[in-house]
Amino acid sequence: GAGVSQSPSNKVTEKGKDVELRCDPISGHTALYWYRQRLGQGLEFLIYFQGNSAPDKSGLPSDRFSAERTGESVSTLTIQRTQQEDSAVYLCASTATDTQYFGPGTRLTVL
Amino acid sequence: QKEVEQNSGPLSVPEGAIASLNCTYSDRVSQSFFWYRQYSGKSPELIMSIYSNGDKEDGRFTAQLNKASQYVSLLIRDSQPSDSATYLCAVVYSSASKIIFGSGTRLSIRP
Repeated sequence: GAGVSQSPSNKVTEKGKDVELRCDPISGHTALYWYRQRLGQGLEFLIYFQGNSAPDKSGLPSDRFSAERTGESVSTLTIQRTQQEDSAVYLCASTATDTQYFGPGTRLTVL
Repeated sequence: QKEVEQNSGPLSVPEGAIASLNCTYSDRVSQSFFWYRQYSGKSPELIMSIYSNGDKEDGRFTAQLNKASQYVSLLIRDSQPSDSATYLCAVVYSSASKIIFGSGTRLSIRP
């Protein structure tokens, strides 16, 4: 079956522009996570959606970052007024029971 | 603040030897434990999960869980150069709660 998909795979943007990243989880997975991974660094938790509960936004680094998820389907991560330090790979993962399945990531480069 | 701690490495092991990766976690109320492998430039992939005290073997991999001492380890027997990667430990503290990742241990298998 299809895994977690993310789009775009690569995004190059200019400083100050807004970007929107998309994640399509595995069908039926109730939980969805967004992570940021800078080059050579570990996973940095951003936000967690679990079913219809209020999302856990404790990892969002600033109010420029926001995310939405409609039901148990697609999620979008939006970064407003991008900065060079936002350059990273943004990973999405969806979860059945406790096992996470990661998407291929979106590589964001802010010039 | 629930934490998962790993030595960042790099851990260098000769080919054919046993690689031992360790992880400690901060909270005794924990349910599920995972090891993920991440190759450079790729997304993490699940290699082992363990839920009860003791050992769990899968091919060349053995996960060991000791809840009393709050550690989980991963042994890789007959290490191969293809095992060179970053290994991430992850813990879920209670059912349907957020998964917490350690920062990862970089493993290098030298021929």
